[in-house]
Amino acid sequence: DIVMTQSPDSLAVSLGERATINCKSSQTVLESSDNKNYLGWYQQKPGQPPKLLFYWASTRASGVPDRFSGSGSGTDFTLTISSLQAEDVAVYYCQQYYGSPRTFGQGTKLEI
Amino acid sequence: QVQLQQSGPGLVKPSETLSLTCTVSGDSISSHYWTWIRQPPGKGLEWIGYIYYSGSTNYNPSLKSRVTISVDTSRNQCSLTLTSVTAADTAVYYCTRGHYGNDYWGQGTQVTVSS
Repeated sequence: DIVMTQSPDSLAVSLGERATINCKSSQTVLESSDNKNYLGWYQQKPGQPPKLLFYWASTRASGVPDRFSGSGSGTDFTLTISSLQAEDVAVYYCQQYYGSPRTFGQGTKLEI
Repeated sequence: QVQLQQSGPGLVKPSETLSLTCTVSGDSISSHYWTWIRQPPGKGLEWIGYIYYSGSTNYNPSLKSRVTISVDTSRNQCSLTLTSVTAADTAVYYCTRGHYGNDYWGQGTQVTVSS
């Protein structure tokens, strides 16, 4: 199985400041045939299902504010929130869909 | 808009079978892959498996001997069956659309395994 490791486990950031969450995979999730990184990012608020933020590592899902960005390739990925808003408090997960079983990172809890 | 409405019992006895159904509206079940994911209390996300309307499936090996995902195109539904459940299967179960990124999610069903 591909192991996904996020860092940090929790993060406190002031309103308006930048938040950065890292995700590392135990093997590459870059598919050479199409040059796509098979990685997604999700946001989960308490009592709600997760919400897809990014797919193919950096393609923003519909309705996601542009203060969110996804980057990285191969085994190292980053989710960045450029200016933290109160509504961004949540747990964030990365997921690889390169291999089977699909696997998630352990989650990063973002607080203000 | 696309909606996934989950239904099924919230309490299942140990050794019995968990069965959940996901009714899709605003989209055709024949147009996408459908994935089930679960989340134990206070923990992270675990991928259970997915199905395409043709019947092609892919399951998590850790659950493969006990899990079946199926589709009913006439009812636009996707279903999850998990046999021989134990307390370790207690979780919120989610039905989702897609398998390269899951863009629509059901509301989640809290399933508790207890006698």
